[in-house]
Amino acid sequence: GQNIDQPTEMTATEGAIVQINCTYQTSGFNGLFWYQQHAGEAPTFLSYNVLDGLEEKGRFSSFLSRSKGYSYLLLKELQMKDSASYLCAVRGDSNYQLIWGAGTKLIIKP
Amino acid sequence: DSGVTQTPKHLITATGQRVTLRCSPRSGDLSVYWYQQSLDQGLQFLIQYYNGEERAKGNILERFSAQQFPDLHSELNLSSLELGDSALYFCASSVALDYYGELFFGEGSRLTVL
Repeated sequence: GQNIDQPTEMTATEGAIVQINCTYQTSGFNGLFWYQQHAGEAPTFLSYNVLDGLEEKGRFSSFLSRSKGYSYLLLKELQMKDSASYLCAVRGDSNYQLIWGAGTKLIIKP
Repeated sequence: DSGVTQTPKHLITATGQRVTLRCSPRSGDLSVYWYQQSLDQGLQFLIQYYNGEERAKGNILERFSAQQFPDLHSELNLSSLELGDSALYFCASSVALDYYGELFFGEGSRLTVL
């Protein structure tokens, strides 16, 4: 079957760094996405990885290892507004559909 | 603003009723996706349309149906509503069927079934 695993919840301190992991088992691989979703709001796109390595975008970075079926999202200099759920999604082979993880709820404490 | 428009934003109705949710994709996007998100749950893929045709189906109940019109807007019809259908329903769009980029999400329609 196809599966994406993320931690359910994480807590971090304002100003610190947090790493949110995502492991996946899918039929085929055509890219991995990270989305941010504040409670009750729409998911918004953060990053896309299709090749191994690190993609950096401001305070956010995303890493991919296709051989290990593993990605992480790294958030630096955490701000209170970063409190949200972070969704990992993989585009497999089937109809280019995205397979979604259940999301990681990140709680930022002062 | 993602450019994807959903109406209504909020909807309260009773069990057994029928509702229609509407989505207008971003200008130029041909593909529309519908997702359901229950409280504190992940996104559940319901159905995808591309240029008016159904392309993929997820965990969509038989009580639910959707269509995409010639002007590319889409409607999700939910009938014989049950308490468990209360959820956020998101529409997302992308440029093409085989587009490898991201999906753009509307703000969602919050359905409450009493």
